[in-house]
Amino acid sequence: ETGVTQTPRHLVMGMTNKKSLKCEQHLGHNAMYWYKQSAKKPLELMFVYNFKEQTENNSVPSRFSPECPNSSHLFLHLHTLQPEDSALYLCASSQDLLSGLTYSYNEQFFGPGTRLTVL
Amino acid sequence: AQTVTQSQPEMSVQEAETVTLSCTYDTSENNYYLFWYKQPPSRQMILVIRQEAYKQQNATENRFSVNFQKAAKSFSLKISDSQLGDTAMYFCAFMVSGDSNYQLIWGAGTKLIIKP
Repeated sequence: ETGVTQTPRHLVMGMTNKKSLKCEQHLGHNAMYWYKQSAKKPLELMFVYNFKEQTENNSVPSRFSPECPNSSHLFLHLHTLQPEDSALYLCASSQDLLSGLTYSYNEQFFGPGTRLTVL
Repeated sequence: AQTVTQSQPEMSVQEAETVTLSCTYDTSENNYYLFWYKQPPSRQMILVIRQEAYKQQNATENRFSVNFQKAAKSFSLKISDSQLGDTAMYFCAFMVSGDSNYQLIWGAGTKLIIKP
């Protein structure tokens, strides 16, 4: 496996179900991200993990719960979702650079996404 | 707050033609990066090209080039000699330099269709 992988690719769940999305990166990166992509809307950053610590939570509802057990794996645990949560969920990873560098930049590499449908 | 606007929801051109996708952004920052990402039907988001705001020279990557107008806050993507494989959603994105969370601000995307 190379790059960033996500499983499952498709998921259909009822509002009372509990499921998890999995992301794995094989690039040796130390930062991972969850994004939500809805039709005709900009990507929304949900969570950021740098060095396994969550550093960003953009007011995401508590029915989404991230877990980052190590720098290669990222999970998104789902429970009691709503139909409006149906979307493509993308995982990305990057190599976090030291903060303080004026022109620091790191490319984010994306997985193929999980298409989630909540009934 | 930073925003990114892509005013063309969909475009289509004939194969081998040149097409330009527009992107404007709003920021009060002086040091930042701009990106164009491509998302084909396979859904894998791929970086096409990036531009550092401090560089005056426009970035180019093979058939892809940008027209970066910092004063106008404009960042358009030109695809020359378009190919069928260029059919995809194209997203413009922005990142403040030195942002410790490396947060990308995204446009809503432009669907580009290359017709044979």
